[in-house]
This record gives sequence, structure tokens and C-alpha cells, in this order.
Amino acid sequence: GDSVTQMEGPVTLSEEAFLTINCTYTATGYPSLFWYVQYPGEGLQLLLKATKADDKGSNKGFEATYRKETTSFHLEKGSVQVSDSAVYFCALSDHNAGNMLTFGGGTRLMVKP
Amino acid sequence: SQTIHQWPATLVQPVGSPLSLECTVEGTSNPNLYWYRQAAGRGLQLLFYSVGIGQISSEVPQNLSASRPQDRQFILSSKKLLLSDSGFYLCAGDAGFETQYFGPGTRLLVL
Repeated sequence: GDSVTQMEGPVTLSEEAFLTINCTYTATGYPSLFWYVQYPGEGLQLLLKATKADDKGSNKGFEATYRKETTSFHLEKGSVQVSDSAVYFCALSDHNAGNMLTFGGGTRLMVKP
Repeated sequence: SQTIHQWPATLVQPVGSPLSLECTVEGTSNPNLYWYRQAAGRGLQLLFYSVGIGQISSEVPQNLSASRPQDRQFILSSKKLLLSDSGFYLCAGDAGFETQYFGPGTRLLVL
């Protein structure tokens, strides 16, 4: 079955540091890939997505590139802010399984001033 | 774009009491709807999904149930809550396309 693996957190960074959160996946078909963000006490918000190989999703300074050859979708940001502190979820949607999302376990990011 | 509403935002219930959480959708018709649970410090677990009125699929056997009495309404219920039902419950929907949008969540504490 489909699965998503994320690096375990928490990830603690100082403000303006470079961020990478690793995400790899296994899927039988050709999935679309997503990053969702969950701020404390809130629901999930879509951060970015990519629907095919080599696509780059980007939003709010975050970006991730769909790498079919390495089955990865790593999230990056060049300079994090305290307000980026949240839990980040990588997910895939396998078109062979309708619109069902498979989520990774989430990675908590803490940014210190 | 669609908006997902959930209530209540927070709920404290005794063990053995019933539960009813409500989710409604604005901005789209005939959405696919989903209930997820997030235990403290953990990832998301899909509980139920629905592709239409009266159509419910269960992903995890448990003492919870779901119903979809109207196109844009999705209800999560239990007849008798367990301590292990505590968690953060999230409703999500998609308009037949792949991106799911989430509600603000309901935090349930069973004592």
C-alpha cells in the first residue's frame, strides 16, 4: 500500500536558518504530493502541492520538488521565522485510490528568536 | 473555494457518555468528506469517508460511527465514549479534485 515517511521531530532552528524537512513516499501509481501545515490548536492548511514529476510547489517562501527518481518531496525554506513554528505533514494522493490522502507522521518545527 | 465548519471547538465528556460532532461544508456541492483523528503528538488517522448522502466507509473499526444526512453535513457519533477516544478530530472535504481542505478541528477530552 501507499505510505509516506517523514523525518521525526522536533526540529529546532534559530530564526533565519535554512530548513529542510525530508519526506519520502511509496505508491503504486502516480501520486500527487502535498505539504500541509498545522499551527498550534488549529486544523491543517494546505501549504503547497505538486502533481507530477519535476514539478515544484511553492508558497510563503517554502518550496518542494517532486522527485520521482528518489520518491521524495523534501520541504525547504531559505530563512525561517518564529511564525513558521508548526507541525508539517507530507501527504500523497494516489489517483488509483480516488482522492484519499495518505499522511506522514508529521514533523514539529520550533523556531527560536 | 470551500470552507469547512466544525463544532464544538472543544468538548470535555465523561467516559460512557454519547458524542456528536458536526461538520458542515460551504462553497461546493457533492463533496467527498472525511473524518480524521489526531492523538496527542501523533499523525492523522483516517476514520471515515463519504462520497455522498448516506454513503459511509469506515477505515478503522471502533466505537465511533459517522453519518451523512445531507450533502454538506457530516456527523461523527459515539454511543459510549472511551478514554482512548480523546484527541483532536478533523473534518475535511474535497470537491472531487484531489486537494482536501480541513476544518478548524474539535478537541475532545474524555475523562
